[in-house]
Formats: sequence, C-alpha cells, structure tokens
Amino acid sequence: DTEVTQTPKHLVMGMTNKKSLKCEQHMGHRAMYWYKQKAKKPPELMFVYSYEKLSINESVPSRFSPECPNSSLLNLHLHALQPEDSALYLCASSQEGQGSYEQYFGPGTRLTVT
Amino acid sequence: AQSVAQPEDQVNVAEGNPLTVKCTYSVSGNPYLFWYVQYPNRGLQFLLKYITGDNLVKGSYGFEAEFNKSQTSFHLKKPSALVSDSALYFCAVRDIEDSNYQLIWGAGTKLIIKP
Repeated sequence: DTEVTQTPKHLVMGMTNKKSLKCEQHMGHRAMYWYKQKAKKPPELMFVYSYEKLSINESVPSRFSPECPNSSLLNLHLHALQPEDSALYLCASSQEGQGSYEQYFGPGTRLTVT
Repeated sequence: AQSVAQPEDQVNVAEGNPLTVKCTYSVSGNPYLFWYVQYPNRGLQFLLKYITGDNLVKGSYGFEAEFNKSQTSFHLKKPSALVSDSALYFCAVRDIEDSNYQLIWGAGTKLIIKP
C-alpha cells in the first residue's frame, strides 16, 4: 500500500481565517514533505520532516506553519493567507532506505484564498 | 547548479504509436532519477525510478526509461500509446549525496495522445 491521504480535498478561506491541512501515511516512511503547486507547474518544496524533525524550511512565509505530531501525521497550519497562496497543496512521503527513495504523493488540497 | 530540462512543453502522439518524453539533467554527484505523472486535478503519481543497476527500468502502466550517464538523460518511453496516457509528466532528479532528500523538478511535458 502506497497511499498518502490528505484532508480536506477543497478549502476556501478568507484572509483572516485560520485553517489546517492534514496528511497521513501508514507506510512507515521516515520523511514527509509539503509542496505547493500552481497549475501546470512542477511542485515547489515548502517543508521536509525527517524522523519527525523539521529539516528543510524553504524560506516559506510564517503564515504557513508545519507540524509533525508523530511519524504518520503531518499538518500545515494556515493563518492570514494572501490570494496568491491559492494553489494545490501536496503532501508526500518517502522511505529513504532499502533502495526506496521515491516520494509518494497524496491527492492534494485545493486551496482558494478569498 | 543542479537542474532538469524537459525540452518539450507538449508532445503529440497518435494512439498505438510509440512515445518518448525527453529529460536531461545536471547534478554534481551521482543521480537518483524519477518520473511522475499528473492527471487533471489530481496529485502526482510515481511512475518509475533509476537508483542503480540496469540502465533500462520499467514502471507502471507499461512505461520504461533508459538511464544514459554519458548523455545525462533519462527519457521516458512506451511502445504503444493509449489515449488514457494523456497527462502531464514530470522528470525529477536527486543527488544521492543530498541528505535533505530534495528533488529537482523539470518544468513538465504535456502528453497528448490522439485517437
């Protein structure tokens, strides 16, 4: 099973709202990722967690706040977003060992900021 | 600097014909190479990878790719295209020395298979 789940599928929020995106994997993968993707463009890396510790923060604005409560869960907390933050937010995970370095992606959350 | 080039924004192929989607890369060390596919309004699906070993790798849905170290290429191929193969394809590379697991992505190639 190579499934990564994400909730919600769609989210519409105002610029003053606070919301959270959730991601879950049960493959025992040691690394988890958040990406932002604009239409027809490659995904842009936002954050990487390795063994539940944040290892990369790609200069992402503080209005995005990641959290890794345990090895299976990854959250992305959103606050005071801007309309340009509207995008598809993808979660991914990878095993990082035993010949397995590919990332498996969830279906994404389509975020619209109004 | 590390980079991935997908020289074609779009590739058009008739159903039943062979298809090739091109990818070349530049990394400072040895590469891990990947192909992903994205259908409209969907997440990215892993297709295949080259880590080590045989230069010809096979993946999902009948796709294959050949790692060519001298040409720094990793072209995606399929012997007989299906209309359902129409999607956006991304090539990605990672330097095996990169402990941060970062993928460098190509810009993507839109594949259109015509009946």
